[in-house]
Order: sequence, then C-alpha cells, then structure tokens
Amino acid sequence: QSALTQPASVSGSPGQSITISCTGTSSDIVTYNYISWYQQNPDKSPKLIIYNVNNRPSGVSTRFSGSKSGNTASLTISGLQAEDEATYYCSSYTSRSPWVFGGGTKLTVL
Amino acid sequence: EVQLVESGGGLVQPGGSLRLSCAVSGFDFSNSWMHWVRQVPGKGLVWVSRINIDGTSATYADSAKGRFTTSRDNAKNTLYLQIDSLRAEDTAVYHCAREGFGWYFDLWGRGTLVTVST
Repeated sequence: QSALTQPASVSGSPGQSITISCTGTSSDIVTYNYISWYQQNPDKSPKLIIYNVNNRPSGVSTRFSGSKSGNTASLTISGLQAEDEATYYCSSYTSRSPWVFGGGTKLTVL
Repeated sequence: EVQLVESGGGLVQPGGSLRLSCAVSGFDFSNSWMHWVRQVPGKGLVWVSRINIDGTSATYADSAKGRFTTSRDNAKNTLYLQIDSLRAEDTAVYHCAREGFGWYFDLWGRGTLVTVST
C-alpha cells in the first residue's frame, strides 16, 4: 500500500478540466511543501510536471497546475487533450522515508 | 542532450546479486544528488535510495537497508546500485533519477528490469 492515496482512475472529455487528488498525513503533505507530480506514459520514464506544490518546470504546459490544502494535494489539468492520457503520480518529502509516492492515477481522455 | 541510461538488469535466481548502472550525459553529474526509484511492472513508484554528490553518504528506504548499496563514479558519470540476496519482491524496473533543487526528481531514466525467479 502506497503512503500517499490517489484515485486509481479519472476520466474526462477533451476541453474539460479534471483534478487528481493526493492524500497524505501530518508526516508529509501537511507539513512539507515539497510535493511534486509526474506524468508517465506506458514503457516511458516519468516526467516531472509540477514541483514544490505549484511550480511548473520550463516547457510544461500552463494547463497543468498544482495546489495543496491540509492533507491533500491536487493536480488540475485544464483544457484536456488526448495527449494528456497517461498515469500521474504524486510524491512528497516525508519525515519517515524520506520520499513517498502515491499509487498512481490513470487518466483516460474520452 | 540529457540522457540517463540504466543497464545491468536481467533474470537472476533468489539469493543472487546484481549491479545496476546508470550512465549519465548532458548535465553536471558530479554536482547532482542522485536517486534510485523502482517500479513493479504495472504498479506505482517506490523510492529506493539517494546518494550525495561525492558519494560519501547514501540514504535508503527501509526495504533496501542492508542489501542495497548505492555508489557513484563521477569520473565516469555513472551511478550504481548493488543489490545482494535478491528476493522475488525485488522484481521491478529500476529507474535512476536526478534530484532537483527542492526535494523532487527532475530527470529520469527509462529503467532496467530486474526479475528475480527460479
């Protein structure tokens, strides 16, 4: 069982917005702003899309945004496109591990 | 072009050992903290270990303590992961990754598959 909890799957139609949640504890998401999100396509390496809660690396679309409230971090993808179909993972620094990941959320673009 | 290319995976019997390599190019490896992250095929990511820039200090997940050893050769731009006493539950794709400036992983390799089976 992963340390961070994500929904197994989400779906949306092109043009819509979707949000993926990532729930943690006081040992990770609540305490630290070192939350990151990764996009992974089948048989590919993960790609960083959000770091430190809400920062985008150079080259990542502005359609991707991150936020945090309490013990839950969120990734929002606006203006959904077919190319966004992938599995998304959250990660947080933690006082225990010290890095933990969520179990991943498969995004289907209908 | 930035590249992280893992190698050394394969089929190994329980109790055996493997040394994985991650050859890096396109960025300043000798000033980069590096990590290993593993992924059971079809499953999620699990952090394994982290090593500092000169290789003098490594940190491990509880599941890796005692059997995993991370090292690096800055002259060869290569990161290593030695795994001893392999178990079936070590079966996974092992990715190397660079740590960005803030406790995240900004560059990843595609990984090398380790299969532990008789």
